[in-house]
Amino acid sequence: TQLLEQSPQFLSIQEGENLTVYCNSSSVFSSLQWYRQEPGEGPVLLVTVVTGGEVKKLKRLTFQFGDARKDSSLHITAAQPGDTGLYLCAGAEGNNRLAFGKGNQVVVIP
Amino acid sequence: EPEVTQTPSHQVTQMGQEVILRCVPISNHLYFYWYRQILGQKVEFLVSFYNNEISEKSEIFDDQFSVERPDGSNFTLKIRSTKLEDSAMYFCASSELTRRDTQYFGPGTRLTVL
Repeated sequence: TQLLEQSPQFLSIQEGENLTVYCNSSSVFSSLQWYRQEPGEGPVLLVTVVTGGEVKKLKRLTFQFGDARKDSSLHITAAQPGDTGLYLCAGAEGNNRLAFGKGNQVVVIP
Repeated sequence: EPEVTQTPSHQVTQMGQEVILRCVPISNHLYFYWYRQILGQKVEFLVSFYNNEISEKSEIFDDQFSVERPDGSNFTLKIRSTKLEDSAMYFCASSELTRRDTQYFGPGTRLTVL
């Protein structure tokens, strides 16, 4: 199983600030997914990035896939309390399985 | 918007009992998956299923586990004789045939083994 390391594990910021969290691996992935998970609920898919260097935007969230397809970042602009949650990255490996990182816990303080 | 559904939301069972977790995948999806998440740990792959067969399984998915698509809509995970360490959130997911990396997850079943 290929390992995905997410950093920082925990991040607390004030409403209106920007933040960036990271997902890194020593392995190349054919694609990376970002999910958001609330306590006691299932992961909700935010985005899939496929091409090295690809940038995708989802409202105030910007996702980037590294050129070498080993890492990805999630940038949130002007964070809102509703952005609070656990952000998971997952890489497609093998034929069908997703390998998940431990997540970036983001807390946005009003 | 189509979504994956799972029942029950919470299942409590005694060690050694059999449990069946149920899932209804998104209707036009052909690949189905089970993952689990032990409290405080990563989401872990268990098994994938396509065309009424297991496509891939992890080392966690031993002989105590089985999956089935008993009809045109349901997808089930059976644990034959539950152990304390089976306590976890179990997530079903589904994907299109051509985009197996883009998987949509259900809300999960919390399994508690006493």
